[in-house]
Parts: sequence; structure tokens; C-alpha cells
Amino acid sequence: DTEVTQTPKHLVMGMTNKKSLKCEQHMGHRAMYWYKQKAKKPPELMFVYSYEKLSINESVPSRFSPECPNSSLLNLHLHALQPEDSALYLCASSLHMSRERGDTQYFGPGTRLTVL
Amino acid sequence: KNEVEQSPQNLTAQEGEFITINCSYSVGISALHWLQQHPGGGIVSLFMLSSGKKKHGRLIATINIQEKHSSLHITASHPRDSAVYICAVQGETSGSRLTFGEGTQLTVNP
Repeated sequence: DTEVTQTPKHLVMGMTNKKSLKCEQHMGHRAMYWYKQKAKKPPELMFVYSYEKLSINESVPSRFSPECPNSSLLNLHLHALQPEDSALYLCASSLHMSRERGDTQYFGPGTRLTVL
Repeated sequence: KNEVEQSPQNLTAQEGEFITINCSYSVGISALHWLQQHPGGGIVSLFMLSSGKKKHGRLIATINIQEKHSSLHITASHPRDSAVYICAVQGETSGSRLTFGEGTQLTVNP
């Protein structure tokens, strides 16, 4: 199984709603990532979990709250979002979070989020 | 100046043509990645390179570490190759963090 799954595929929410994005992989990867991608732009890293611990937070606003309940699952909790947060949210995983050598990241299909 | 520069930004080709996309970077790297993104979002990793050349089907990726330059070639291009191709580097000191180029939008017409 070389797949990263994400649910839901599409999400429309109001600015006062609370919702969650879910990401799952069963490849035994120990590093998991959240990216945000705006139209016609490359992905921007938001968070990295390594061995279920938050390793990198790229100064993301607190209305985005990540959670890694176990090594296969990564959630992104959303609360009080703004319309400018509308984007494609991509999850990825890699075997490790390696400094010394390259590590292929496997991406999920993304959740298309619209904030009204 | 961005750490990763891709050219061209947009590329239109006729089916069957040989295509080259270029990537230059300015930092020391542990690896360079070529990624493909189709409309609708999903990103697929095509190659990870730290030296030399790799080939997979009609795709070939090369890297010159001394010149800090990589190329992605597509032979006998096909309309299904139409996608955004993104170059991304893993810096020597940045762990798995990827620095992305702006992407090249490739359109292959039948």
C-alpha cells in the first residue's frame, strides 16, 4: 500500500464553524506533513510531525491545529477560519525526516477547502 | 532571488515532441525532487536525485551538482503528460523540508 488518503475531498465551511481534515497512511512512514496550496502556486509547508511529535510549525495561525493521534493518522483541526484560508490542503508522508539524505514524500490527493 | 528557479513557466508542445524543463538552485542540497501535479490536485513524486541521471519510462531526470542544475526530459510527449511539473530541493541542513520552484505548466496538444 503506497497510498496517502485524505478526507474529505471537498469542504465548505463558514467562518464560525469547526471542522477537521483527516490524513491516513499505512506505509509505516514516521514523518507526516501538512501543506497549504493556493491556485497556481507551489505548496507551502505548514506542519511536520516526526515520530508523532510536532517537529516543525511554520508560524501557522492558531486557527489551524494539527494532531497526530498515532503513526498512521494526521488531523488538521480548523476553527474560525478566514476566506483567505480557502486553498487545497495537502498531506504527505515520508519514511523519516532525514537530514543527511533525500527522502521521497508521498502526497495525498488533497482537501479543497472553501471558507465562506 | 528564489532559491529554486524553474524554466520555462509555461510550455506548449505538440504530441510526440521532446520536452525539457530546467531547474536551477542556489543552496547545498541532499536531494532534488521532480513532482507532477495534475488538475484536481494530487502530487506524484517522479524522481529523487542526488547525482547523475535517472530514467523511468519516457521520463529522464539529470542533475549536475557542481552547476546546481537539473533537467527533466519527456520523450515522445503525449497529451496525458499535460500537468504542472515542480522542482523541489531538500537543503543540506533542512531535514525533509522541501523548497519548491514555482512550477512549469506543460500542455501537450494532440
